[in-house]
Amino acid sequence: IAGITQAPTSQILAAGRRMTLRCTQDMRHNAMYWYRQDLGLGLRLIHYSNTAGTTGKGEVPDGYSVSRANTDDFPLTLASAVPSQTSVYFCASRTGPNTEAFFGQGTRLTVV
Amino acid sequence: KQEVTQIPAALSVPEGENLVLNCSFTDSAIYNLQWFRQDPGKGLTSLLLIQSSQREQTSGRLNASLDKSSGRSTLYIAASQPGDSATYLCAVTNTNAGKSTFGDGTTLTVKP
Repeated sequence: IAGITQAPTSQILAAGRRMTLRCTQDMRHNAMYWYRQDLGLGLRLIHYSNTAGTTGKGEVPDGYSVSRANTDDFPLTLASAVPSQTSVYFCASRTGPNTEAFFGQGTRLTVV
Repeated sequence: KQEVTQIPAALSVPEGENLVLNCSFTDSAIYNLQWFRQDPGKGLTSLLLIQSSQREQTSGRLNASLDKSSGRSTLYIAASQPGDSATYLCAVTNTNAGKSTFGDGTTLTVKP
């Protein structure tokens, strides 16, 4: 089934450790996004990529990095995790800004 | 900075009722507005996308309207069912870099 795949589904991570959240889409969408969802704060954009080879900062980029080596993959890396990065992370993609966005099922990350 | 507000935060109705969810936004320079559904512990499922040039979109029992000049959208759900119970989110995509801003959602409970 075409769509967006995120891995892992959930993870408990020790503070200070490095972690990469994976996101792969098979819809050949140009644009991809990473959001975090926190109770009371809603969905906030972390980083985005409008096309392979380019990335941009969203609303809450500090402590996170991304890369877009090809169209399908958009990994999110936490270089040194902190407890405030405990959240549910969603990856999304769309053909362009004027088209429908699709979301993955999320990664629930707990930093202890 | 775009701000998106959804009212009410929560709504409980008996099965069979027609209902309206509201979404307002502050910056009318948008590409589109998209309505999503989110079930507990799950990702976001796209319901309807309205382009900035459109006034409404319909899918089954759902009808979404857009008044860009007043910064408002409504999601109308006809003949509500218990299976409609979920959190409904609206997201506005701005023409500036194509980034989306989400509201905090309306949590709907439809009682049998």
